[in-house]
Amino acid sequence: AQRVTQPEKLLSVFKGAPVELKCNYSYSGSPELFWYVQYSRQRLQLLLRHISRESIKGFTADLNKGETSFHLKKPFAQEEDSAMYYCALLRGTSYGKLTFGQGTILTVHP
Amino acid sequence: DAGVTQSPTHLIKTRGQQVTLRCSPKSGHDTVSWYQQALGQGPQFIFQYYEEEERQRGNFPDRFSGHQFPNYSSELNVNALLLGDSALYLCASSPRRGSHEQYFGPGTRLTVT
Repeated sequence: AQRVTQPEKLLSVFKGAPVELKCNYSYSGSPELFWYVQYSRQRLQLLLRHISRESIKGFTADLNKGETSFHLKKPFAQEEDSAMYYCALLRGTSYGKLTFGQGTILTVHP
Repeated sequence: DAGVTQSPTHLIKTRGQQVTLRCSPKSGHDTVSWYQQALGQGPQFIFQYYEEEERQRGNFPDRFSGHQFPNYSSELNVNALLLGDSALYLCASSPRRGSHEQYFGPGTRLTVT
């Protein structure tokens, strides 16, 4: 069975510092990986997905199949980045069944 | 477009009772998925509905059942409630089966006492 692990429950950085939210997965096939974000009092929303290879709000994430990781990075954190971040995996044949990690609360201090 | 809507926002039930949660998908979406999010955990997939049929199911007992209507809206029913069923229940819709685009609703907070 597939699994997503986010080893850090809490992550605190200062504004302008680099930030990296870790995500490791276990799945023998070719998964699709996503990062979802939930800002305070807002609903869960898609931040980015590995297949699009895009940068959203300055965040990037690279799928490393060798290390089975999909870490989320941003070179200069902003206070508005403070939120709960979830890494999620979609199996190729699972038709929308997302497997989520436990989430990381990111706090960016001024 | 209000996006995905869910009702009620929150409710309190007693152990052993039954509950029905409702979800209206985003306009143009025809696939609805339900997730359970316990406190401090990530969402867990319950099941998915497409063309009014359950297409996929996660590791949840038969006490959890659902329905999808011709207008694509959906209901989640939980029978014989347990204390452990207390959680935030999220509905997500997508424009077609298999799409990676899942749009989440605000959730229904269920408390079982």
